Amino acid sequence: EVVLTQSPGTLSLSPGERATLSCRASQSVRNDYLAWYQQKPGQAPRLLIYEASNRATGIPDRFRGSGSGTDFTLTIIRLEPEDFAVYHCQQYGIAPRSFGQGTKLEIK
Amino acid sequence: EVQLVDSGGGLVQPGGSLRLSCAASGFTFSRFWMTWVRQAPGKGLECAASINEDGSEKHYVDSVKGRFTVSRDNAKNSLYLQMSSLSVEDTAVYYCVRDQGLFQEWGQGTPVTVSS
Repeated sequence: EVVLTQSPGTLSLSPGERATLSCRASQSVRNDYLAWYQQKPGQAPRLLIYEASNRATGIPDRFRGSGSGTDFTLTIIRLEPEDFAVYHCQQYGIAPRSFGQGTKLEIK
Repeated sequence: EVQLVDSGGGLVQPGGSLRLSCAASGFTFSRFWMTWVRQAPGKGLECAASINEDGSEKHYVDSVKGRFTVSRDNAKNSLYLQMSSLSVEDTAVYYCVRDQGLFQEWGQGTPVTVSS
């Protein structure tokens, strides 16, 4: 199974700042099939990014995905108040699919 | 608009059983894999069980094999998860998800609490 390690566990920033979240895979993710999800308290996750760098429908362009192989990054440029949430990465290139443990983005 | 409505969660004693349901609408249900994703309190996400378009192929995470059964009724646009021999480790919110490798559409989740 591909183990995904997200860092940091918690990130404290202020609105307007830039957030950089990391997701590292234990082996290369086939076809860069790496997705990012945002989850707010009491809600289901929402797909943000697929295939490492493609924004899902309706996702603002301040969300940027990058990386390939084993190292992936989600960057949120100019944080908005509604961006403070938990972010999960998921690989879907190698069965069984797996998720990282999540990064909590909190207001500083 | 794709809609997935999860139901059936609740409080159950260890060793008990529960059946979750998911009502799907807004898409051709019979053309998609479906998956139950669960999230234990304060934890990450886990694919618990998946089923292919006609129900002939099923996959389970090791921790639920032999205890959980995923099924579907394409005539009713419904997905099910029969859970038995429940343990406290099964306490989680269970989400029904339309499965395209990645998960774009999710149900609202139904909480399952296993406690005496």
